[in-house]
Amino acid sequence: GAVVSQHPSRVICKSGTSVKIECRSLDFQATTMFWYRQFPKKSLMLMATSNEGSKATYEQGVEKDKFLINHASLTLSTLTVTSAHPEDSSFYICSARDFGGGYTFGSGTRLTVV
Amino acid sequence: SQQGEEDPQALSIQEGENATMNCSYKTSINNLQWYRQNSGRGLVHLILIRSNEREKHSGRLRVTLDTSKKSSSLLITASRAADTASYFCATVVRGSARQLTFGSGTQLTVLP
Repeated sequence: GAVVSQHPSRVICKSGTSVKIECRSLDFQATTMFWYRQFPKKSLMLMATSNEGSKATYEQGVEKDKFLINHASLTLSTLTVTSAHPEDSSFYICSARDFGGGYTFGSGTRLTVV
Repeated sequence: SQQGEEDPQALSIQEGENATMNCSYKTSINNLQWYRQNSGRGLVHLILIRSNEREKHSGRLRVTLDTSKKSSSLLITASRAADTASYFCATVVRGSARQLTFGSGTQLTVLP
């Protein structure tokens, strides 16, 4: 079946630094990937839709300069949290539409900003 | 934004019992999907029901969809301790860019 690999699974960074999260489709090409954020015991909130070869579409209230998304190839999308602050600490999950039209999720990244 | 609400928010049952979770949504949909998430992990797709379907089964799972009430239910029969997880419904909104929009989730605990 379709597999989406997300790295890193956990990252701790200092305030003010930037963190890059990778989401890679391993056995299929994903023209569209989605990035979600999840707070503890809460649901997934869509942050942005990443489109290969074009600019990402951000949801209302999501700062595009804060959360940089790059989808430079059909198998890789990256989310960079720039100038991270403690309030950016969260669980970030990517998802891609697979060859069957379904949605495959990465395993998530736990970001802690100290 | 969140599409809808799920209830209950939390459910605790004994192994062997059935678990029923409900989901309501707000807009017209192409399909509704149910996902499972173990704590701190990614999501696993469980089942998809299309807007023109009313009921679907997969193993111990049974999903219903009532588009007139904009609601769905997930029934897990003969629950096991390994079913302990969070369960989310998600919809693909008609006319959207096909992104999934999630409900608020139900935390299911199955006690051995």
